[in-house]
Amino acid sequence: GQQVMQIPQYQHVQEGEDFTTYCNSSTTLSNIQWYKQRPGGHPVFLIQLVKSGEVKKQKRLTFQFGEAKKNSSLHITATQTTDVGTYFCAGLGNSGAGSYQLTFGKGTKLSVIP
Amino acid sequence: DSGVTQTPKHLITATGQRVTLRCSPRSGDLSVYWYQQSLDQGLQFLIQYYNGEERAKGNILERFSAQQFPDLHSELNLSSLELGDSALYFCASSPSGRYYEQYFGPGTRLTVT
Repeated sequence: GQQVMQIPQYQHVQEGEDFTTYCNSSTTLSNIQWYKQRPGGHPVFLIQLVKSGEVKKQKRLTFQFGEAKKNSSLHITATQTTDVGTYFCAGLGNSGAGSYQLTFGKGTKLSVIP
Repeated sequence: DSGVTQTPKHLITATGQRVTLRCSPRSGDLSVYWYQQSLDQGLQFLIQYYNGEERAKGNILERFSAQQFPDLHSELNLSSLELGDSALYFCASSPSGRYYEQYFGPGTRLTVT
């Protein structure tokens, strides 16, 4: 079945440093989605990328979808303490017979040192 | 507030017992998903329902079962509970359509003692 790998598992950065998490799928995806889970909270949908090579920005966050639609990245510029949390990617793949399944990566837990 | 509600928020029970977790999806969403998240672990997909019918199954144990009712709320039943079943259980709902983005509820924290 479809597998989505995400690295790194943990990342500690000094406030103001940049941060990047990477996501790789074993199969070609229909779209890639990103979620953020704050400590003690629930995952919150951030964005989805659909087109090959697509790049989207949300303030200091930049999301990219690879040309082959099998990999993606999330880059945060100049991290702030409010960025703390776990970032999950989720790949939407065709699971056969016209149905689709969203597979989550294991997440990257970001800690920001003030 | 995602619009997805889950009850109860916390549940403490003993090994061998049975519990039921409840989820109400966002208004208009037909799909409901259940996930298990253990301490510092990722989201383990358990099962998906769409408009009352089972759509996809993940790593759901035989001791666990779920259903979605005509009013679209869903229940996850966990039986013969073991210590290892202690986890956060999230429900998510998704609008119909192509992109399947999911909106998560606040979760139910289950502690098995």
